[in-house]
Amino acid sequence: EAQVTQNPRYLITVTGKKLTVTCSQNMNHEYMSWYRQDPGLGLRQIYYSMNVEVTDKGDVPEGYKVSRKEKRNFPLILESPSPNQTSLYFCASSPIIGLAGGPYEQYFGPGTRLTVT
Amino acid sequence: SQQGEEDPQALSIQEGENATMNCSYKTSINNLQWYRQNSGRGLVHLILIRSNEREKHSGRLRVTLDTSKKSSSLLITASRAADTASYFCATASRETSGSRLTFGEGTQLTVNP
Repeated sequence: EAQVTQNPRYLITVTGKKLTVTCSQNMNHEYMSWYRQDPGLGLRQIYYSMNVEVTDKGDVPEGYKVSRKEKRNFPLILESPSPNQTSLYFCASSPIIGLAGGPYEQYFGPGTRLTVT
Repeated sequence: SQQGEEDPQALSIQEGENATMNCSYKTSINNLQWYRQNSGRGLVHLILIRSNEREKHSGRLRVTLDTSKKSSSLLITASRAADTASYFCATASRETSGSRLTFGEGTQLTVNP
């Protein structure tokens, strides 16, 4: 089954304790992205990756890191989480078709609800 | 700045009625997409309309795009209680060379049985 998986689905942690949220897709998609969703703010892009070893900042990258060592995986790292990073996080992937015209249809993971106390 | 902005923020209708949601954006786009989200779950892609298209249909969904007004609308015909969800528009800005997708804040649709 074509899917994007995220782990963990729920996480409660304390300020400053490093954490990693994993994201994996089995569709051989080049493009992967992380979003956070907060009430009244919609989805905001944190980081995205156009291919292996190619990552770039989205709208709200502060306090986050990513890496893309393999095509299927795109982990999100919070080196020193703070309460303002409490949010619902989504990973998504999509194919890249041609050199322009995208991004295209995003396939979303189920979300990770993070609480930082 | 917010690229995609949906209107209305909330919409409540009866089963069988049509639901129309609007999206406005600010920059030139490659495409505009609509997504649906059931409470707390991942978003599901509904339809994509390219910048050179004016209208697109998929089942009970009809999307229009007016690039001169920088706006799009999503029409759901003959709505069902199962259509209750949040609907988001997302724009692929031409200015970011096909690399970025910007979401609006969404319209919460409630379809009453």
